[in-house]
Amino acid sequence: GEDVEQSLFLSVREGDSSVINCTYTDSSSTYLYWYKQEPGAGLQLLTYIFSNMDMKQDQRLTVLLNKKDKHLSLRIADTQTGDSAIYFCAESTGRRALTFGSGTRLQVQP
Amino acid sequence: EAGVTQFPSHSVIEKGQTVTLRCDPISGHDNLYWYRRVMGKEIKFLLHFVKESKQDESGMPNNRFLAERTGGTYSTLKVQPAELEDSGVYFCASSHGAFYGETQYFGPGTRLLVL
Repeated sequence: GEDVEQSLFLSVREGDSSVINCTYTDSSSTYLYWYKQEPGAGLQLLTYIFSNMDMKQDQRLTVLLNKKDKHLSLRIADTQTGDSAIYFCAESTGRRALTFGSGTRLQVQP
Repeated sequence: EAGVTQFPSHSVIEKGQTVTLRCDPISGHDNLYWYRRVMGKEIKFLLHFVKESKQDESGMPNNRFLAERTGGTYSTLKVQPAELEDSGVYFCASSHGAFYGETQYFGPGTRLLVL
Protein backbone atom coordinates (compact mmCIF):
# COMPACT_ATOMS: atom_id res chain seq x y z
CA GLY A 1 0.00 0.00 0.00
CA GLU A 2 0.93 3.65 -0.11
CA ASP A 3 1.87 5.50 3.05
CA VAL A 4 4.18 8.45 3.45
CA GLU A 5 5.11 9.66 6.92
CA GLN A 6 6.84 12.78 8.17
CA SER A 7 7.46 14.38 11.53
CA LEU A 8 5.09 17.28 12.14
CA PHE A 9 7.38 20.03 13.34
CA LEU A 10 10.99 21.18 13.22
CA SER A 11 12.48 24.29 14.75
CA VAL A 12 15.96 25.55 13.92
CA ARG A 13 17.97 28.74 14.35
CA GLU A 14 18.78 30.95 11.40
CA GLY A 15 22.07 29.89 9.82
CA ASP A 16 21.84 26.29 11.02
CA SER A 17 21.12 23.34 8.77
CA SER A 18 17.65 21.81 8.71
CA VAL A 19 17.01 18.15 8.02
CA ILE A 20 13.47 17.05 7.24
CA ASN A 21 12.84 13.32 7.12
CA CYS A 22 10.29 11.20 5.33
CA THR A 23 9.59 7.48 5.15
CA TYR A 24 7.50 5.69 2.58
CA THR A 25 6.26 2.15 2.25
CA ASP A 26 5.72 1.54 -1.46
CA SER A 27 8.85 -0.12 -2.80
CA SER A 28 7.73 0.60 -6.36
CA SER A 29 8.13 4.35 -5.83
CA THR A 30 10.08 5.71 -8.73
CA TYR A 31 10.09 9.47 -8.20
CA LEU A 32 10.19 11.18 -4.81
CA TYR A 33 9.47 14.87 -4.42
CA TRP A 34 9.79 17.69 -1.95
CA TYR A 35 7.20 20.46 -2.13
CA LYS A 36 7.15 23.67 -0.08
CA GLN A 37 4.03 25.53 1.00
CA GLU A 38 4.40 29.05 2.32
CA PRO A 39 1.54 30.63 4.30
CA GLY A 40 -1.43 31.34 2.04
CA ALA A 41 0.35 30.02 -1.02
CA GLY A 42 0.16 26.88 -3.12
CA LEU A 43 2.60 24.01 -3.32
CA GLN A 44 5.93 24.84 -4.88
CA LEU A 45 8.06 22.02 -6.23
CA LEU A 46 11.49 22.29 -4.61
CA THR A 47 13.25 19.27 -5.96
CA TYR A 48 12.80 15.62 -6.85
CA ILE A 49 14.92 12.52 -7.04
CA PHE A 50 14.67 9.43 -9.18
CA SER A 51 14.83 6.15 -7.31
CA ASN A 52 18.06 5.02 -8.95
CA MET A 53 19.87 7.96 -7.35
CA ASP A 54 20.96 8.21 -3.74
CA MET A 55 21.75 11.91 -3.59
CA LYS A 56 20.87 15.10 -5.40
CA GLN A 57 22.19 18.56 -4.62
CA ASP A 58 20.71 21.85 -5.77
CA GLN A 59 22.28 24.97 -4.23
CA ARG A 60 21.34 24.93 -0.52
CA LEU A 61 19.21 21.80 -0.89
CA THR A 62 20.49 18.23 -0.58
CA VAL A 63 18.20 15.24 -1.01
CA LEU A 64 19.31 11.87 0.29
CA LEU A 65 17.52 8.65 -0.61
CA ASN A 66 18.01 5.36 1.17
CA LYS A 67 15.97 2.99 -0.93
CA LYS A 68 16.70 -0.03 1.27
CA ASP A 69 15.19 1.70 4.32
CA LYS A 70 12.63 3.65 2.22
CA HIS A 71 13.89 6.86 3.80
CA LEU A 72 14.12 10.27 2.15
CA SER A 73 15.56 13.43 3.65
CA LEU A 74 15.83 17.06 2.67
CA ARG A 75 18.72 19.08 4.06
CA ILE A 76 18.59 22.86 3.84
CA ALA A 77 21.96 24.47 4.45
CA ASP A 78 22.24 27.92 6.06
CA THR A 79 18.52 28.01 6.85
CA GLN A 80 16.94 31.46 6.52
CA THR A 81 13.72 32.90 7.96
CA GLY A 82 12.29 32.78 4.43
CA ASP A 83 12.58 29.01 4.57
CA SER A 84 9.84 28.88 7.20
CA ALA A 85 7.05 26.89 5.59
CA ILE A 86 5.44 23.46 5.47
CA TYR A 87 7.46 20.88 3.57
CA PHE A 88 5.70 17.94 1.96
CA CYS A 89 7.30 14.73 0.87
CA ALA A 90 5.53 12.94 -2.01
CA GLU A 91 6.01 9.79 -4.02
CA SER A 92 4.98 8.72 -7.47
CA THR A 93 4.47 5.07 -8.28
CA GLY A 94 2.69 3.50 -11.21
CA ARG A 95 -0.14 6.01 -11.10
CA ARG A 96 -0.01 9.61 -12.14
CA ALA A 97 -1.35 10.67 -8.75
CA LEU A 98 1.11 11.75 -6.07
CA THR A 99 0.97 10.34 -2.54
CA PHE A 100 1.85 12.96 0.04
CA GLY A 101 2.87 12.94 3.65
CA SER A 102 1.22 15.16 6.26
CA GLY A 103 3.85 17.84 5.96
CA THR A 104 6.59 19.09 8.29
CA ARG A 105 6.26 22.63 9.56
CA LEU A 106 9.69 24.24 9.64
CA GLN A 107 10.08 27.19 11.97
CA VAL A 108 13.25 29.25 11.64
CA GLN A 109 14.11 31.38 14.65
CA PRO A 110 16.19 34.52 14.16
CA GLU B 1 3.33 32.25 -18.39
CA ALA B 2 0.46 32.15 -15.92
CA GLY B 3 0.46 29.36 -13.39
CA VAL B 4 -2.42 27.24 -12.19
CA THR B 5 -5.19 29.45 -10.84
CA GLN B 6 -8.06 28.53 -8.55
CA PHE B 7 -11.25 30.32 -7.63
CA PRO B 8 -12.40 31.20 -5.07
CA SER B 9 -9.47 31.46 -2.71
CA HIS B 10 -11.77 31.00 0.27
CA SER B 11 -15.33 29.80 0.70
CA VAL B 12 -17.44 29.60 3.84
CA ILE B 13 -20.76 27.79 3.50
CA GLU B 14 -23.28 26.08 5.72
CA LYS B 15 -23.79 22.36 5.91
CA GLY B 16 -26.17 21.23 3.20
CA GLN B 17 -25.30 24.00 0.76
CA THR B 18 -23.56 23.59 -2.57
CA VAL B 19 -20.14 24.92 -3.50
CA THR B 20 -18.37 24.87 -6.84
CA LEU B 21 -14.61 25.24 -7.06
CA ARG B 22 -12.86 26.17 -10.27
CA CYS B 23 -9.39 25.41 -11.55
CA ASP B 24 -7.66 26.86 -14.60
CA PRO B 25 -4.60 24.81 -15.51
CA ILE B 26 -1.50 26.08 -17.23
CA SER B 27 -2.32 26.66 -20.89
CA GLY B 28 -1.59 23.59 -22.98
CA HIS B 29 -1.55 21.18 -20.05
CA ASP B 30 -3.72 18.19 -20.85
CA ASN B 31 -3.44 16.63 -17.39
CA LEU B 32 -5.37 18.13 -14.51
CA TYR B 33 -5.50 16.81 -10.95
CA TRP B 34 -7.56 17.57 -7.88
CA TYR B 35 -6.21 16.99 -4.36
CA ARG B 36 -7.37 18.04 -0.92
CA ARG B 37 -5.88 18.47 2.53
CA VAL B 38 -8.29 17.95 5.38
CA MET B 39 -7.68 19.01 9.00
CA GLY B 40 -3.93 19.51 8.54
CA LYS B 41 -3.43 15.94 7.48
CA GLU B 42 -1.80 14.59 4.35
CA ILE B 43 -2.72 15.89 0.92
CA LYS B 44 -4.88 13.27 -0.74
CA PHE B 45 -5.50 12.66 -4.41
CA LEU B 46 -9.08 13.01 -5.63
CA LEU B 47 -9.01 12.57 -9.40
CA HIS B 48 -7.11 13.01 -12.64
CA PHE B 49 -8.33 14.31 -16.00
CA VAL B 50 -6.64 13.82 -19.33
CA LYS B 51 -8.19 16.53 -21.46
CA GLU B 52 -11.92 16.14 -20.78
CA SER B 53 -11.80 12.47 -19.75
CA LYS B 54 -11.57 11.16 -16.20
CA GLN B 55 -8.44 9.01 -16.16
CA ASP B 56 -8.53 8.10 -12.47
CA GLU B 57 -11.24 9.04 -10.00
CA SER B 58 -10.34 6.52 -7.33
CA GLY B 59 -9.79 9.21 -4.72
CA MET B 60 -13.24 10.78 -4.89
CA PRO B 61 -14.71 10.28 -1.41
CA ASN B 62 -18.38 9.83 -2.31
CA ASN B 63 -21.06 10.80 -4.76
CA ARG B 64 -21.50 14.24 -3.22
CA PHE B 65 -18.44 15.25 -5.21
CA LEU B 66 -18.72 15.89 -8.95
CA ALA B 67 -15.82 16.97 -11.12
CA GLU B 68 -16.09 18.12 -14.72
CA ARG B 69 -13.75 19.38 -17.37
CA THR B 70 -15.89 20.22 -20.34
CA GLY B 71 -13.82 21.09 -23.40
CA GLY B 72 -10.64 19.96 -21.73
CA THR B 73 -9.69 23.40 -20.40
CA TYR B 74 -10.77 24.51 -16.94
CA SER B 75 -12.27 22.15 -14.40
CA THR B 76 -14.92 22.48 -11.72
CA LEU B 77 -15.38 20.47 -8.54
CA LYS B 78 -18.86 20.65 -7.06
CA VAL B 79 -19.71 19.51 -3.57
CA GLN B 80 -23.43 18.97 -3.06
CA PRO B 81 -24.60 18.85 -0.33
CA ALA B 82 -21.56 19.93 1.67
CA GLU B 83 -20.84 18.25 5.00
CA LEU B 84 -18.67 19.41 7.91
CA GLU B 85 -15.94 16.89 7.07
CA ASP B 86 -15.52 18.43 3.61
CA SER B 87 -13.74 21.40 5.17
CA GLY B 88 -10.15 21.68 4.04
CA VAL B 89 -7.92 23.01 1.29
CA TYR B 90 -8.62 21.85 -2.25
CA PHE B 91 -5.63 21.96 -4.57
CA CYS B 92 -5.57 21.70 -8.32
CA ALA B 93 -2.48 20.73 -10.30
CA SER B 94 -1.65 20.36 -13.96
CA SER B 95 1.04 18.78 -16.08
CA HIS B 96 1.82 18.87 -19.75
CA GLY B 97 2.25 15.26 -20.71
CA ALA B 98 1.30 12.01 -19.16
CA PHE B 99 4.70 10.39 -18.95
CA TYR B 100 5.60 8.83 -15.68
CA GLY B 101 6.99 11.20 -13.11
CA GLU B 102 6.22 14.41 -14.97
CA THR B 103 6.17 17.45 -12.71
CA GLN B 104 2.79 18.60 -11.48
CA TYR B 105 2.35 22.34 -10.96
CA PHE B 106 0.00 23.28 -8.16
CA GLY B 107 -2.38 26.15 -7.71
CA PRO B 108 -2.74 28.17 -4.48
CA GLY B 109 -5.72 26.12 -3.33
CA THR B 110 -9.27 26.93 -2.26
CA ARG B 111 -9.85 26.98 1.47
CA LEU B 112 -13.32 25.59 2.15
CA LEU B 113 -14.98 25.87 5.52
CA VAL B 114 -18.31 24.15 6.06
CA LEU B 115 -20.18 25.32 9.17
